[in-house]
Amino acid sequence: GAVVSQHPSWVICKSGTSVKIECRSLDFQATTMFWYRQFPKQSLMLMATSNEGSKATYEQGVEKDKFLINHASLTLSTLTVTSAHPEDSSFYICRSAGDPDTQYFGPGTRLTVL
Amino acid sequence: GENVEQHPSTLSVQEGDSAVIKCTYSDSASNYFPWYKQELGKRPQLIIDIRSNVGEKKDQRIAVTLNKTAKHFSLHITETQPEDSAVYFCAATVFSGGYNKLIFGAGTRLAVHP
Repeated sequence: GAVVSQHPSWVICKSGTSVKIECRSLDFQATTMFWYRQFPKQSLMLMATSNEGSKATYEQGVEKDKFLINHASLTLSTLTVTSAHPEDSSFYICRSAGDPDTQYFGPGTRLTVL
Repeated sequence: GENVEQHPSTLSVQEGDSAVIKCTYSDSASNYFPWYKQELGKRPQLIIDIRSNVGEKKDQRIAVTLNKTAKHFSLHITETQPEDSAVYFCAATVFSGGYNKLIFGAGTRLAVHP
């Protein structure tokens, strides 16, 4: 099946720094990328959706200036958490989609902000 | 927007017993309903899914039923085994902003005791 990689798998950073998370589709073209956030013992919450070459659309309550998404190619989407704070500590997971039922999750990135 | 409710939040069963998890959704236009199993620190794994034109689907010990009129769907696991212990999420698609988005339920923590 299709493979989606995510890098890094975990990151620890100081408060105020920015962290970039990469999501790559390795053997198919991901026209759409969904980014989710999952706090401990909670569900996956959709943060934003991006299409290759266009601006991301954000879900209500998600700060677009804080969570920068770039979907520059059909195989790479990045999420940058700018000026990270401890409350941004979470598990971030991308999901790539080629059609409504073709969807592959990345392995996730655990972000810890000190 | 779409709202997916999932019950129970925790479920404890003895090995060999059956487990049932129920979900309801609000958007009558939703047409795809996947179920995921997530182990600690890992990505969600698709275990079974059902489309709106089907009432029931089975895969070995796992089955899903869908009642479109009532807008609810259920996961049934028979002959449970300790390795079935995990968090299970239901989800439903909603077409919003030009995308088929997956909205997740809150999750059910299943514990299967030997």
